[in-house]
Amino acid sequence: QKEVEQNSGPLSVPEGAIASLNCTYSDRGSQSFFWYRQYSGKSPELIMFIYSNGDKEDGRFTAQLNKASQYVSLLIRDSQPSDSATYLCAVNRGNQFYFGTGTSLTVIP
Amino acid sequence: EAEVAQSPRYKITEKSQAVAFWCDPISGHATLYWYRQILGQGPELLVQFQDESVVDDSQLPKDRFSAERLKGVDSTLKIQPAELGDSAMYLCASSVGPADSPLHFGNGTRLTVT
Repeated sequence: QKEVEQNSGPLSVPEGAIASLNCTYSDRGSQSFFWYRQYSGKSPELIMFIYSNGDKEDGRFTAQLNKASQYVSLLIRDSQPSDSATYLCAVNRGNQFYFGTGTSLTVIP
Repeated sequence: EAEVAQSPRYKITEKSQAVAFWCDPISGHATLYWYRQILGQGPELLVQFQDESVVDDSQLPKDRFSAERLKGVDSTLKIQPAELGDSAMYLCASSVGPADSPLHFGNGTRLTVT
């Protein structure tokens, strides 16, 4: 079983819609959770991190964590074409980072 | 905003040749990581340093890969000899250190082995 699982997509949403990206993790000992955006040919860029159950909002982005269900999600409101990228979910356990394979998002103008 | 510096950005080399990558983490970041990312996959850890010490190199192919961080600041990753399967993006990242600190990535080095 993989440490972190994401639906590879592609996920397509129209401009202005809400994009919902999901991630599950296998180890209940995971302590902190991160979302990275990666444009094609570029390196990952940190978008958000969350440590506690519940929601964390930053501008158009909301991270949601449910430790009981071992589930992390990222919502992007008012999606823009510039949000088209691959989104990587990462978890930290014991100072080790584990990455999912990423979900490809396309925002259609 | 402080950045992780990596060089070169791109490297093309022939198989069996040696290649080296350099990384300078954000000032004050004690933890440094080297990742390899193959197209369509997530980054996979090669080696992790805490200051000058190796914390985890369990996934580093030690017959051909080596990494060092002699003074606990910048780091070098070397491949000798390079193989076709080494073609990938090599990413350096750093963090302040505590387990809940996020990783900050450099721009990466795109390696092509011909």
